[in-house]
Amino acid sequence: DTGVSQDPRHKITKRGQNVTFRCDPISEHNRLYWYRQTLGQGPEFLTYFQNEAQLEKSRLLSDRFSAERPKGSFSTLEIQRTEQGDSAMYLCASSGETNNYGYTFGSGTRLTVV
Amino acid sequence: GNSVTQMEGPVTLSEEAFLTINCTYTATGYPSLFWYVQYPGEGLQLLLKATKADDKGSNKGFEATYRKETTSFHLEKGSVQVSDSAVYFCATRGRAGGTSYGKLTFGQGTILTVHP
Repeated sequence: DTGVSQDPRHKITKRGQNVTFRCDPISEHNRLYWYRQTLGQGPEFLTYFQNEAQLEKSRLLSDRFSAERPKGSFSTLEIQRTEQGDSAMYLCASSGETNNYGYTFGSGTRLTVV
Repeated sequence: GNSVTQMEGPVTLSEEAFLTINCTYTATGYPSLFWYVQYPGEGLQLLLKATKADDKGSNKGFEATYRKETTSFHLEKGSVQVSDSAVYFCATRGRAGGTSYGKLTFGQGTILTVHP
């Protein structure tokens, strides 16, 4: 198992453009999470999936953001009409059924909106 | 919802010094508690965890004890090394059935720098 993979590692985009990030979780994990981390802050929860169902979305996830996990495996996070305030590290994590374990995080996608 | 407050950083220590990073939390019920570490240029890694009161999590010489009475989960290490230089995050995760179940709530992180 190669852990949680995120692609791309870095993305620079112009304001107003749409971007899409991909996350491949650990294969046996049925839960998948998206977080956003800005400089000097801890990660902030965006949304999470159990299998293909999106169970919770944060208020941080405006209507420009959408996340999918169509077959309960990989997930995509799309940001439409990007703004400079969207610049951050976007982290994906996965976990199994038990509540006793922390997540396994990916290395993240760093988004810079210019 | 849950919240986590971490000791303000940055923390700068000499090698072999004693480390404490304070963490307190607010939560309903009995959350699970975690410390994550982020080394320069790398992703978040789970350092240790505790799932019930008085549990002690330990790993790589680091320890933290789940103190329900003081709602704390302070991170300690008796003798730090240069390789421990990283950002440390305290986090909570709610119990099944609660509104915070499934998601981690992080503190703001504490930067640790260890000099030779």
